[in-house]
Amino acid sequence: SQTIHQWPATLVQPVGSPLSLECTVEGTSNPNLYWYRQAAGRGLQLLFYSVGIGQISSEVPQNLSASRPQDRQFILSSKKLLLSDSGFYLCAWSAALNEQYFGPGTRLTVT
Amino acid sequence: KQEVTQIPAALSVPEGENLVLNCSFTDSAIYNLQWFRQDPGKGLTSLLLIQSSQREQTSGRLNASLDKSSGRSTLYIAASQPGDSATYLCAVRPKERYQKVTFGIGTKLQVIP
Repeated sequence: SQTIHQWPATLVQPVGSPLSLECTVEGTSNPNLYWYRQAAGRGLQLLFYSVGIGQISSEVPQNLSASRPQDRQFILSSKKLLLSDSGFYLCAWSAALNEQYFGPGTRLTVT
Repeated sequence: KQEVTQIPAALSVPEGENLVLNCSFTDSAIYNLQWFRQDPGKGLTSLLLIQSSQREQTSGRLNASLDKSSGRSTLYIAASQPGDSATYLCAVRPKERYQKVTFGIGTKLQVIP
């Protein structure tokens, strides 16, 4: 069966520090991968999605970036965090346009 | 631009009651619609996926229906239990392959023992 992992589960970082969140998927090949951010009282905001290694599409221009160095690995990064980057970050995968499956999420607090 | 609305934003019911959660969307050109539940501080758990050609899907005490022409989906929960307490979100995937999935903000359900 397929599983999706995210780490770390929680993170507290000062403003201006770098960020690296990792997501890995097991039990499937060539998944579509997604990074979302969820803010309180707001819907999920799609940040990046990827249909293959090295193929990244950005939905929202900001100081975040994403990379997909391996088929089942998706990384969200920032060189310098802003206070507004605080939130709950969710990674998801799907087989083509089918059902999306989400990871457990990372709670990021920028201080 | 697709917009997804979920009403009510919050709902409180006594245990054992049957209930309906609503999801409406503005663009009927969808590929599928998915219902999720989210527990506090957790990721989303997929409940049901309805393809655009389908009218409903069932899983246990859950039944989701889709009326594409009117832009509506409902999630029916039978014989609610305290463990059903969570936020329920619907998400619409468009027909256009590289357009993004649009999520509603969700309905927060509390089932009172």
